[in-house]
Amino acid sequence: ETGVTQSPTHLIKTRGQQVTLRCSSQSGHNTVSWYQQALGQGPQFIFQYYREEENGRGNFPPRFSGLQFPNYSSELNVNALELDDSALYLCASSPGGGNQPQHFGDGTRLSIL
Amino acid sequence: QQQVKQSPQSLIVQKGGIPIINCAYENTAFDYFPWYQQFPGKGPALLIAIRPDVSEKKEGRFTISFNKSAKQFSLHIMDSQPGDSATYFCAAQYGGATNKLIFGTGTLLAVQP
Repeated sequence: ETGVTQSPTHLIKTRGQQVTLRCSSQSGHNTVSWYQQALGQGPQFIFQYYREEENGRGNFPPRFSGLQFPNYSSELNVNALELDDSALYLCASSPGGGNQPQHFGDGTRLSIL
Repeated sequence: QQQVKQSPQSLIVQKGGIPIINCAYENTAFDYFPWYQQFPGKGPALLIAIRPDVSEKKEGRFTISFNKSAKQFSLHIMDSQPGDSATYFCAAQYGGATNKLIFGTGTLLAVQP
């Protein structure tokens, strides 16, 4: 069984640029969530996708957007990058909503210069 | 009401000791409580989880104790080993269609040989 995979592992961008991060969900999982983890903090929920539709959003501005594809893989897009966007971006997948456990990938470390 | 409070921030125990990490929540809409273990450079790994209709769950050396009336839950690690040294996060998950996780602030555990 393949776990959650994310790419790239590291990325360096400058302020104002745009970035796309990618996630392949665990086999059989149709729900993907994205989280932002700042250094020394717990992950913060960005949004969730279920069957290609956004299914809930945390307290993040509209410049954070996403997509889910028919194979349940997902992208996180961030426009107009700011210094505070420097963080570890984590993708988690689960076999649906409700009380289903979420399994995380190893994340993409994004650094904004 | 969305907060999950976690303590202590850091913990040092000797090999074989029993570290205990505590968490408290306010929102009764949470109905799934997982613990994650995170090593440097890796994503959070699901360790053990409990639902609020159960007061205790044990998996190997890891035990969750859950007190629904007090809205508190804790993680105990029996016979701790140096390989258990990591950051531990408690979390609370909503049971609705959007099963977003609300994380605690993390506990850095060091198990000394």
